[in-house]
Amino acid sequence: GDSVTQMEGPVTLSEEAFLTINCTYTATGYPSLFWYVQYPGEGLQLLLKATKADDKGSNKGFEATYRKETTSFHLEKGSVQVSDSAVYFCALKTSYDKVIFGPGTSLSVIP
Amino acid sequence: NAGVTQTPKFRILKIGQSMTLQCAQDMNHNYMYWYRQDPGMGLKLIYYSVGAGITDKGEVPNGYNVSRSTTEDFPLRLELAAPSQTSVYFCASSDQRGQKNTEAFFGQGTRLTVV
Repeated sequence: GDSVTQMEGPVTLSEEAFLTINCTYTATGYPSLFWYVQYPGEGLQLLLKATKADDKGSNKGFEATYRKETTSFHLEKGSVQVSDSAVYFCALKTSYDKVIFGPGTSLSVIP
Repeated sequence: NAGVTQTPKFRILKIGQSMTLQCAQDMNHNYMYWYRQDPGMGLKLIYYSVGAGITDKGEVPNGYNVSRSTTEDFPLRLELAAPSQTSVYFCASSDQRGQKNTEAFFGQGTRLTVV
């Protein structure tokens, strides 16, 4: 069945460091891909998305490119801030099935 | 626009008690989901529904029941609360009428403690 794999956390970075969180997926057909973020004590909210191969989603300085050839959707940010500390979830959705989430990656950014 | 509303936000139950977690969405979404999130862990799907009158089990359905009598509401029932059900519960909804690029919207969560 469909699945999403993310890099193990937790990840701890200094402010202004470069961030990469790896995400790979397995799916039949051509899913849409998403990154969600969960700030402490809150629910999940959409960070960015991409709907087809080679699309790049971007928001709040974060970017991810839909790579069909490597079945990946890695999240990147050039310079993280303390306010980026959160848990990040990669997810996929096909047309007629439920959303599939990865296990989440916890990010802590220290001043 | 309220989105997905969960009640209550916090609840403490004694072992063996029952309760219903409420979830309502006002976006006319066909899919609705219940997840639980244990400390430091990811989301585990409990139940989901693809439309009114239709529900299906997720990864961890034991100890829970759901119903979907309307498009808007998707309550989660705990019949005999156990300490293992201490968790944060999230309800979510999405519109999947052939449009795969619409995201899931989440409620703020219900923090449940069973003592």
